[in-house]
Amino acid sequence: GAVVSQHPSWVICKSGTSVKIECRSLDFQATTMFWYRQFPKQSLMLMATSNEGSKATYEQGVEKDKFLINHASLTLSTLTVTSAHPEDSSFYICSARDLTGLAGAGELFFGEGSRLTVL
Amino acid sequence: SQQGEEDPQALSIQEGENATMNCSYKTSINNLQWYRQNSGRGLVHLILIRSNEREKHSGRLRVTLDTSKKSSSLLITASRAADTASYFCASNTNAGKSTFGDGTTLTVKP
Repeated sequence: GAVVSQHPSWVICKSGTSVKIECRSLDFQATTMFWYRQFPKQSLMLMATSNEGSKATYEQGVEKDKFLINHASLTLSTLTVTSAHPEDSSFYICSARDLTGLAGAGELFFGEGSRLTVL
Repeated sequence: SQQGEEDPQALSIQEGENATMNCSYKTSINNLQWYRQNSGRGLVHLILIRSNEREKHSGRLRVTLDTSKKSSSLLITASRAADTASYFCASNTNAGKSTFGDGTTLTVKP
């Protein structure tokens, strides 16, 4: 099936620094990618919808200046956590929807996730 | 709330038994997907069922969809220890937005 690659898998950073997470669709083009946040033993919460060539759409309560999203190409979206603090520590997962029919019906493929720990 | 509901929250069974998980959602959907997540990992797509379908099979998995009740179920037959994981449903609207259920943590004891 289609593959979505996420990098890095885990990152530890000091409070106040910025961290960038990449999400790539490896064998299909994704005009839209999604960024989720998942706390331990909880479900995924949609943070924002990343649109290629335009501004991301953020969910209510998500700070757009805190979580910068750039979708510069049809295969790459990046999430930058700016001035990270310990409360930003979480598991961040991206997904992309394959609309070309590789798996039919717009199936959503997920990256492996990036675990961020802010000290 | 953004989240749908899943029940049970946790399920513990013996190897060989069947496991059934239920999911409810709130809005009209285009399709619904079930995912599996091993601890600390990303989500793996299991099966997609469209809004005009009522039942779908894939190997040991059986998914049903009742749009009148806005609910879906996932049945895993002849469970194996390797099936131990968290299972999530995601309801997808025509606009492409996915809403995830709270998840069911399945433990299959060998």
